[in-house]
Parts: sequence; C-alpha cells; structure tokens
Amino acid sequence: DAMVIQNPRYQVTQFGKPVTLSCSQTLNHNVMYWYQQKSSQAPKLLFHYYDKDFNNEADTPDNFQSRRPNTSFCFLDIRSPGLGDAAMYLCATSRGDRELTETQYFGPGTRLLVL
Amino acid sequence: GDSVTQMEGPVTLSEEAFLTINCTYTATGYPSLFWYVQYPGEGLQLLLKATKADDKGSNKGFEATYRKETTSFHLEKGSVQVSDSAVYFCALSGRNFNKFYFGSGTKLNVKP
Repeated sequence: DAMVIQNPRYQVTQFGKPVTLSCSQTLNHNVMYWYQQKSSQAPKLLFHYYDKDFNNEADTPDNFQSRRPNTSFCFLDIRSPGLGDAAMYLCATSRGDRELTETQYFGPGTRLLVL
Repeated sequence: GDSVTQMEGPVTLSEEAFLTINCTYTATGYPSLFWYVQYPGEGLQLLLKATKADDKGSNKGFEATYRKETTSFHLEKGSVQVSDSAVYFCALSGRNFNKFYFGSGTKLNVKP
C-alpha cells in the first residue's frame, strides 16, 4: 500500500542535542509537510516542500530546519531542542496538483521527548 | 483570513447513540472541506471530504454535507461504537492549496 512512513515512532533526545526526524513516502507526491502537534491541540504547520522549493511558515523558529534530498524523503532537523519542543511531529504529503483539491495524507507521527 | 471553528469537547456518548460534531468555517471563495480522525498516539487519518457546495462526504458510517449557505460541515454518525473514540479535526483547504486550516479538534469518548 502506498503510504507515508515516519521513523522512529518515538525519539528521546537531550536538551540542546541536535535531532533529526525522518519521513518517507511511496505516494510519489510532490508536496511534503511537517507539522508540530502539542497535546490536545491542532497540528501546526512548520514548513513544506513543493518539489524542491522550500516554504517556511512565518512563525516557525529558526531552530527548525528541513531537508528534502529527493522526492521520497524529507527530514526535520531540530538544531538545539528545548523542553518546549517536546511534541508529536507529523509528516504529510499531497499531490501538488494546483488545479484540484489538495488532500493531505499523514504519517503516524514521531513523538519527541526532550530530557 | 480562512479559519475553522469546531465545537469543544470532550463529547461523551453511549454506544449506539447519534453523533453530531459541529464545524463552521470562514473562507474566501470555494474551499474544500475535510474531516480527519486521530486515534491515541497516531497520526491523522482522512475520514471524509467534500469539494463543493451540497457535496456529501461519507465513510465508515460517518457523513458530512458541505453547506455553503450556513458555512458548515457538521460530522454525523447514526450509531457510534466504542472504537470510534478518537479526536476529530475539521479542516479546510482554500485559495492557498498547500495550506490546511484545522479546527481545534473534538475528543469523542464512547462508553459501552
């Protein structure tokens, strides 16, 4: 089945220690998104890639970076995690066909714990 | 700007009860509307969607009708099950195709 895969499902890091979260997709979608979701809240968009074009949300802290080396993979790098960065991180994809409805398909998420 | 407002939870129902979760939206033009479900510890799963006025999305016994006149997309199910316990998010995709606007989520608890 075509899908969005996130690894690991749980990640523990130390305060200030860089961490990378991974996302891959078999849907061959052009657009990949990263969301941060804190407990009992809606997902908050951090940024997205439309193909190789990076689109950052205005309120995303500089501490968060992303890389998309190819169509299938996208990484979220947190350069110096703080306690407030503990959250569920969700990756999503969409086709990128601007003519039609853009449905987003989500991965299972990576829960990040910062000690 | 575009936005979505959902009824606050939690909503607690007995098994086989009727479910309604209200969702209203503000948007310019003709957005597409979605309901996503999130089970504990999981990502969001698309439950149903509607892309134009009067469309009805349906899946797994859940339904929602895109009502442009009332700017609403309420989620309904005739008979809920314990396994429907989850958080439900209403969302819209508007002029900016790559940006979703999510409601705050409504937690549903179904008791046996």
